[in-house]
Order: sequence, then C-alpha cells, then structure tokens
Amino acid sequence: GESVGLHLPTLSVQEGDNSIINCAYSNSASDYFIWYKQESGKGPQFIIDIRSNMDKRQGQRVTVLLNKTVKHLSLQIAATQPGDSAVYFCAGLPGAGSYQLTFGKGTKLSVIP
Amino acid sequence: KAGVTQTPRYLIKTRGQQVTLSCSPISGHRSVSWYQQTPGQGLQFLFEYFSETQRNKGNFPGRFSGRQFSNSRSEMNVSTLELGDSALYLCASSLSSTGNTIYFGEGSWLTVV
Repeated sequence: GESVGLHLPTLSVQEGDNSIINCAYSNSASDYFIWYKQESGKGPQFIIDIRSNMDKRQGQRVTVLLNKTVKHLSLQIAATQPGDSAVYFCAGLPGAGSYQLTFGKGTKLSVIP
Repeated sequence: KAGVTQTPRYLIKTRGQQVTLSCSPISGHRSVSWYQQTPGQGLQFLFEYFSETQRNKGNFPGRFSGRQFSNSRSEMNVSTLELGDSALYLCASSLSSTGNTIYFGEGSWLTVV
C-alpha cells in the first residue's frame, strides 16, 4: 500500500499552563498502557502507566485518565515547563501472551516560555 | 541502577553490508524487545526475547534477526542492508511478563548509504 509520512499532532502551551495530550486506541483487549516522552535524539522515556482495571493514575505533575468505554487515554501535565517540550506517545499491550507494544503516532508538545 | 544500554550509538553502513546492534537490559530484566523508529512509519515492533527464546516477531523481512544470551543481553542483526533500513533502532527491557513497565534505551542510529 501507499506509504505516507506521519503527521504528528502538535500542541503549544504557555509555560505554567496545564497540558492535555490525547490518545485513542482500537484494540479493546488492551489491558496495559504506558505514556512515553521522547526528546529529540533520545529514546522514549517512561512517564506513567495504567492498567485497564483503573481509570485514573497520578504521578508527579502527571495524571493519566483511561476511558475504556470510548477507548481513550489522556495525559495531563500540570504547570507545564519548557523541559516538557517533546513528543509524547501512548502505547498499549494487548494482554496476556503478547509482549508487543503498539504505539500511537505521538503528539509534539511545544512549551512557550 | 543503570538503564538499558545500547551500542553503538551511531553507525554508517553501505548498502549490502550487514550490521549487528547490541543491547544490555536493566539488571534483573529478562525480557528484551526491539523496535524500529522512522519518520515515516513511527515506532514498529521487531521482536521480543525472554530466556533466550523469541516469543513475538513483528512484520519485518527475514533479513532482520535477533538473539538473546543467557545473561539476557541481546543482539539484533540486519543483513543485506537497504537504504530504507536507515532508522533509530530501540531496545527495551522489562522484568518478565506482560504488564511490567517497559524501559527503553537511547537507541542506535543506523544510516545506510
């Protein structure tokens, strides 16, 4: 099939504001989700994870919300800082017996000082 | 403790050559997986190993292969390199089964000329 480049959604926020990054997944069997942050030239960095038996999990300045009904994840970053500028990916594991992460396309977050 | 370590970080190869990339997982982690990241296709799963056995394989040609050693260190090999193999190759490790946090290394940047 035709190969097309990824068009990353972009999000620009003012320093100090809250950021919300969204992710939709298609596999209803997914039962474990991870958010990663990837800075230019580096590997994905673990931010926070959530299992399908939860709908919310909080970390330091970050909160992940999971809505299984509409198959949607969101990552909320409080008091966004310039160091938060990066591409953010959500990834899911389909469940027992599969060890293959499926990644979303990613969202590029730019923080305006 | 040390994170996932990948070597080499950067390399340039000529079409038709072969390349071997190395990955040392986080101490105590027994699952190692490999991903390819390109601007056009994003992050794509290559394969996953646990206790020297390949448990999952992605949709890549047979030129891509890997192995895991008894100390959980892993290597991946790409033979007969093509220009399209230019990418960031990422290694990730986790404790064992699904639902364990998966951590990535900084990757090996491969350029094929």
